[in-house]
Amino acid sequence: SALTQPASVSGTPGQSITVSCTGTSSDVGGYNSVSWYQQHPGKAPKLIIYDVTNRPSGISNRFSGSKSGNTASLTISGLQAEDEADYYCNSYTPTSARVFGGGTKLTVL
Amino acid sequence: EVHLVESGGGLVQPGGSLKLSCAASGFTFSGSGMFWVRQASGKGLEWIARIGSKVDNYATAYAASMEGRFGISRDDSKNRAYLQMNSLKSEDTAVYYCTTWIQSNEYWGQGTLVTVSS
Repeated sequence: SALTQPASVSGTPGQSITVSCTGTSSDVGGYNSVSWYQQHPGKAPKLIIYDVTNRPSGISNRFSGSKSGNTASLTISGLQAEDEADYYCNSYTPTSARVFGGGTKLTVL
Repeated sequence: EVHLVESGGGLVQPGGSLKLSCAASGFTFSGSGMFWVRQASGKGLEWIARIGSKVDNYATAYAASMEGRFGISRDDSKNRAYLQMNSLKSEDTAVYYCTTWIQSNEYWGQGTLVTVSS
């Protein structure tokens, strides 16, 4: 089943926020294969973190990922207006399939 | 430049079938796994399926909720991946994206809209 994310988070410019992604020992907790995506309205998703902590080329170091047990986290530091978007986590599963979280809407106040 | 273009979407009646296509360019298609993801309007992302490359013996994996109705395939000679969708339901209405991973980054197409309605 889908990974659990908070429906929404908010922050002010310059602040840091964290989005959690909770799964089970069979997905998030079982593999170091968690990805995070940013999606702006009307656009395709964009990969911002892969394998829990890694950033693809071109992604700002304001984005960072971590994991503890069955919960992965995305932290955005120095929040900017353009960070306002939907964020999704994704994990590998034992069947070689992957599963997304329900998504978190980030509002920059 | 990596380019993925989905096609084949449209209006289909409940119970009908549709085959989506993903045309790839700008990378060595035969060496890359291909994926399908969908998103209903106003809803979250839903992972559908993946197909590996020849070195992976074209291994496939499906989301449990779609296995049996959906089939992923590829034609390396045409640089295309496909998603065959059968017994379509209204809840399958969504934008369908194909994606691929290249050098530690993931690339997405612009998506194709599938509408299941009578």
